[in-house]
Amino acid sequence: GAVVSQHPSWVICKSGTSVKIECRSLDFQATTMFWYRQFPKQSLMLMATSNEGSKATYEQGVEKDKFLINHASLTLSTLTVTSAHPEDSSFYICSAGSDVYEQYFGPGTRLTVT
Amino acid sequence: GENVEQHPSTLSVQEGDSAVIKCTYSDSASNYFPWYKQELGKGPQLIIDIRSNVGEKKDQRIAVTLNKTAKHFSLHITETQPEDSAVYFCAAIFNAGKSTFGDGTTLTVKP
Repeated sequence: GAVVSQHPSWVICKSGTSVKIECRSLDFQATTMFWYRQFPKQSLMLMATSNEGSKATYEQGVEKDKFLINHASLTLSTLTVTSAHPEDSSFYICSAGSDVYEQYFGPGTRLTVT
Repeated sequence: GENVEQHPSTLSVQEGDSAVIKCTYSDSASNYFPWYKQELGKGPQLIIDIRSNVGEKKDQRIAVTLNKTAKHFSLHITETQPEDSAVYFCAAIFNAGKSTFGDGTTLTVKP
């Protein structure tokens, strides 16, 4: 149980285009989903917290107009990187939780912007 | 806000030995402390967790201890195996809020 999927697992896009990453909880309903960014050999940096049916809460320094988050249902949240640039290249990971405590992570999406 | 420090940053052990990773946190309100294992190119995997009303929890070769007074918690892996090699992250959370992660420990188990 507690499986979280992400799609795509990796994506290459050209500078200036937008990319959408999906995060799905496969066997439970996720009341809260979190989006993280991870640079090589570094820890996870929280970008935003997403609750179903409400606007995402972004961390300080994260551009909400650039990283659009939509939590459309209890099993799906999406992150859209708009007008991507090479500096947006990173490993993006989502986590989902239904319990007060436990969170389960997706496998991550490797984004490369050329 | 919460701050989590994790030590050591790298740890190398011989197969069969034990490994211990320690974390300290700053916010006494944090009440949930998970440990994650992350393999290269993959998302973190929850391996064990502990809540603030418990001092110790064990699951086969893995155990976690929590000292609320000192605000630190530790991961203990016994009888290490090469497949235990990965990056381990600790985290501190208050209720359903956001996680604050340590910087990670790269564990290498030499066969």
